[in-house]
Amino acid sequence: NAGVTQTPKFQVLKTGQSMTLQCAQDMNHNSMYWYRQDPGMGLRLIYYSASEGTTDKGEVPNGYNVSRLNKREFSLRLESAAPSQTSVYFCASNRVRTPYNEQFFGPGTRLTVL
Amino acid sequence: KNQVEQSPQSLIILEGKNCTLQCNYTVSPFSNLRWYKQDTGRGPVSLTIMTFSENTKSNGRYTATLDADTKQSSLHITASQLSDSASYICVVTLAENQGGKLIFGQGTELSVKP
Repeated sequence: NAGVTQTPKFQVLKTGQSMTLQCAQDMNHNSMYWYRQDPGMGLRLIYYSASEGTTDKGEVPNGYNVSRLNKREFSLRLESAAPSQTSVYFCASNRVRTPYNEQFFGPGTRLTVL
Repeated sequence: KNQVEQSPQSLIILEGKNCTLQCNYTVSPFSNLRWYKQDTGRGPVSLTIMTFSENTKSNGRYTATLDADTKQSSLHITASQLSDSASYICVVTLAENQGGKLIFGQGTELSVKP
């Protein structure tokens, strides 16, 4: 039981390049999330998927797209990377309608855009 | 505006000492408040979760308290160990009828020295 896995762990891009961050969970969770974490700030929600087949914008969606490929996988795409997207990206998942609604996080992807 | 503020921003203590981290929030109504521990280079991991009706929750040497009247929570660490060095994040979940969104604090960086 690996929990939430993310690939790659590190990535360096040039401005304008594109890439996809991959996330998978093996806990049979319904909901999945993408966050970014910047120094001195709390995690901010980029996009989420409440269930397979649905996606919704979070707090900071501009410059990103997502795909909920199936119940296990949720990918985040940067079509044209910008230096402002340099950040650490975390994927999370949870099973909704539980009393504590705990989210489980992956190890993160550290992205640098030059 | 829904906000979560943590203090101090950073803290250095000696191994074996106790410490208390603070979290003030303006989120209302909320369904639960949780504390996460984030080791350097890793994703956040849940330490404690309390619903709005609970006022204390322990997990080993970690004890969280919640005062819903003053909208304050604290995380007390007893007999600190070097492995407690990490960032501690306070997270408040909006009530389901308000969207169930997570509001993250910016974290307290704890360093335990030998």
